[in-house]
Amino acid sequence: AQSVSQHNHHVILSEAASLELGCNYSYGGTVNLFWYVQYPGQHLQLLLKYFSGDPLVKGIKGFEAEFIKSKFSFNLRKPSVQWSDTAEYFCAVTASGGSYIPTFGRGTSLIVHP
Amino acid sequence: NAGVTQTPKFRVLKTGQSMTLLCAQDMNHEYMYWYRQDPGMGLRLIHYSVGEGTTAKGEVPDGYNVSRLKKQNFLLGLESAAPSQTSVYFCASRELGDEQFFGPGTRLTVL
Repeated sequence: AQSVSQHNHHVILSEAASLELGCNYSYGGTVNLFWYVQYPGQHLQLLLKYFSGDPLVKGIKGFEAEFIKSKFSFNLRKPSVQWSDTAEYFCAVTASGGSYIPTFGRGTSLIVHP
Repeated sequence: NAGVTQTPKFRVLKTGQSMTLLCAQDMNHEYMYWYRQDPGMGLRLIHYSVGEGTTAKGEVPDGYNVSRLKKQNFLLGLESAAPSQTSVYFCASRELGDEQFFGPGTRLTVL
């Protein structure tokens, strides 16, 4: 069975600080990887996704993530956060080619102080 | 495209009452999901469907039933609501292997 671990449950940063949120998964086969963001009071929206190819993926709003296969990791990064990045961030994994059920991490709550 | 819509947005029930949450998607997706989100618990899968007429149990199915009579609709029913079912419910849909599209959520309070 797949599992996803997000190590940081709560992160508090000041504006302009750099961000890195960890995501590790356990699954022996090929995976599709996703980061979703949930702004306060809203639903989850896709930030970025990785299926294959260049392991450095760029998403919306200046976010990027790097897939490191040997470490089973897909960490999310942003060089300079803004107050508007305050949100909950979820990492998700599906097995390529046939999994019906995405596996989500517990989420990381990010608060950015102006 | 409206994407994924959910009805109602808010609801307050008394213990023992029943209700149905409606999810509709206009993207012709095969796969649909119902999740509940509680503080500190992330998203937990209640039931899902891999096509019209099919349903399957997720991680926390007890106390809920679902139906997928039409491809575009996925209904979540609570037959006898309990305070433990107070939560925010999200519906999602997708094609196999691709990202999920989430609805705006239904905030349910059971008194």
